[in-house]
Amino acid sequence: DTEVTQTPKHLVMGMTNKKSLKCEQHMGHRAMYWYKQKAKKPPELMFVYSYEKLSINESVPSRFSPECPNSSLLNLHLHALQPEDSALYLCASSLPGYRDWWELFFGEGSRLTVL
Amino acid sequence: SQQGEEDPQALSIQEGENATMNCSYKTSINNLQWYRQNSGRGLVHLILIRSNEREKHSGRLRVTLDTSKKSSSLLITASRAADTASYFCATAKTSGSRLTFGEGTQLTVNP
Repeated sequence: DTEVTQTPKHLVMGMTNKKSLKCEQHMGHRAMYWYKQKAKKPPELMFVYSYEKLSINESVPSRFSPECPNSSLLNLHLHALQPEDSALYLCASSLPGYRDWWELFFGEGSRLTVL
Repeated sequence: SQQGEEDPQALSIQEGENATMNCSYKTSINNLQWYRQNSGRGLVHLILIRSNEREKHSGRLRVTLDTSKKSSSLLITASRAADTASYFCATAKTSGSRLTFGEGTQLTVNP
């Protein structure tokens, strides 16, 4: 069982809607990630938070807005999305400070459909 | 573009056979990892091999790393139908926190 929990599992939204994806982990990890994955493609990194600070933004459009309220929670706020933003959004966490901190623990993903 | 390129893109074998997947990359790495993804699910970490290691085993998995050729292979022995999934290699560069995924190999194990 994954120890990274993502909600909702499925989300359908219109292009004018505002919605949020949520991610939670209780493993004490201090790095959290958002990835976007299109069908039959590898995950693409969107954002990285390290110790609750945004450390990497892979030039993601501003209609995606990440937030890390505390070390256990990660949100992705969605606004004015386009149909091409439909994808599986994966949250992951890792434990920095150890040799293997790049091992990522993934949630099951939120399947987003933009109409 | 993705750091890792994998081949084959798709592999279909019979249960009990071995499956080998290959990954090539372009720049210096700190480590290389393999992940499995069942259809529509999250990724699961399988194994990590560091740049100073050449071979690593975990259960039915064997990973090799050749830094001179910038390539790695994942061998799954005595495959099972439950091994059917997509397998991705991922590389972590010598600095920074980006983990970049290869294009993946879709493995189908037929009962």
